[in-house]
Amino acid sequence: EVQLVESGGGLVQPGRSLRLSCAASGFTFDDYAMHWVRQAPGKGLEWVSGISWNSGSIGYADSVKGRFTISRDNAKNSLYLQMNSLRAEDTALYYCAKDIEWELLGKGAFDIWGQGTMVTVSS
Amino acid sequence: EIVLTQSPATLSLSPGERATLSCRASQSVSSYLAWYQQKPGQAPRLLIYDASNRATGIPARFSGSGSGTDFTLTISSLEPEDFAVYYCQQRSNWPKWTFGQGTKVEIK
Repeated sequence: EVQLVESGGGLVQPGRSLRLSCAASGFTFDDYAMHWVRQAPGKGLEWVSGISWNSGSIGYADSVKGRFTISRDNAKNSLYLQMNSLRAEDTALYYCAKDIEWELLGKGAFDIWGQGTMVTVSS
Repeated sequence: EIVLTQSPATLSLSPGERATLSCRASQSVSSYLAWYQQKPGQAPRLLIYDASNRATGIPARFSGSGSGTDFTLTISSLEPEDFAVYYCQQRSNWPKWTFGQGTKVEIK
């Protein structure tokens, strides 16, 4: 079964850090680009960051650039998101998503999603 | 940043009716547009990619069309399980990929 399972969310104070993980199974992980997408409570979807199959291409939304770092370990079939200097507006459900492409191309989409891990930033 | 505007915000229809959802981009995104369905408490589900290609396992009643700045998702005959929120997403302007604000399809 193709599956993505996120972990690492929780309650954190503003300015602190958190590291999210996403464990992939059921497909050849290193054949595909991967992404993080978030959804604030009651709001729409926001693409956060993406990484190509070999980590050669990486991108971030302006809202997180300079604070978040995406990475992957193909040997462990895992995707990560290091989140530093967290703000209240980072509070959201964070989804890990698989791309249908191996590179970060215009064509393509996110065909497999995890169930998400909740991050709450509050004092 | 490319802004995607979805309309209407809410669509009230009955099962069996045709649903037409619009997504308009603030500048051309070529055909680099995808549609997703999200039900309450669930992750999004890919329906359409590259404007008009149905994803694996998606019923034929879902179709996508358009290019440039104007796109449409059509559900030919609504089934009870189709009542949900639908999002469009553009991948034209790397790394500034954006989603629309969503259209809720509700039961009339």
